[in-house]
Amino acid sequence: GQNIDQPTEMTATEGAIVQINCTYQTSGFNGLFWYQQHAGEAPTFLSYNVLDGLEEKGRFSSFLSRSKGYSYLLLKELQMKDSASYLCAVTPPGGSAGNNRKLIWGLGTSLAVNP
Amino acid sequence: DADVTQTPRNRITKTGKRIMLECSQTKGHDRMYWYRQDPGLGLRLIYYSFDVKDINKGEISDGYSVSRQAQAKFSLSLESAIPNQTALYFCATSAPGTARPQHFGDGTRLSIL
Repeated sequence: GQNIDQPTEMTATEGAIVQINCTYQTSGFNGLFWYQQHAGEAPTFLSYNVLDGLEEKGRFSSFLSRSKGYSYLLLKELQMKDSASYLCAVTPPGGSAGNNRKLIWGLGTSLAVNP
Repeated sequence: DADVTQTPRNRITKTGKRIMLECSQTKGHDRMYWYRQDPGLGLRLIYYSFDVKDINKGEISDGYSVSRQAQAKFSLSLESAIPNQTALYFCATSAPGTARPQHFGDGTRLSIL
């Protein structure tokens, strides 16, 4: 089966660091996305990982371990505006080169940043 | 201007009515998607289209239909709306390729009474 697990809710303090985990069990793997979604708004793309390791992009970093079926999103120097839901999504392998199959989405982690 | 535009942004209607949600994009992407989002259930794919002549059912297509009128336009219809179709609906687009992210419209909040 296809399954993605994320914690439902997390709380952190302004200025701190928080790590949001995502584990997946899918029939094949061709990359993992992280999106941010503020309440009532559209999801927006944060990062994409396909190789093992850490990708850093400003205050946000994303890590992937393909052998463990595990990723995390690391948010540094938290700001109040980082209060949002963070969605993890996996791309299964395509049937031909360049064929991007439909994503498998996690339910999201709702992060509350407190002053 | 938004790259992915959904209309209407909000709609309240009655059970049994036919409703059309429209999506247009200026990103030049071939691939377009319709999702619904419900609290606790996350994003669920209704239909997707990889080009103008390609339409595919997603995980929850019953009660919905779509039309891909042009590369830039993808509309979702509820032929006879029912209350459990009350949800936040998103249109998204992407370029071909596994590393290409999906870009979402601002959503349509649909309430069916």
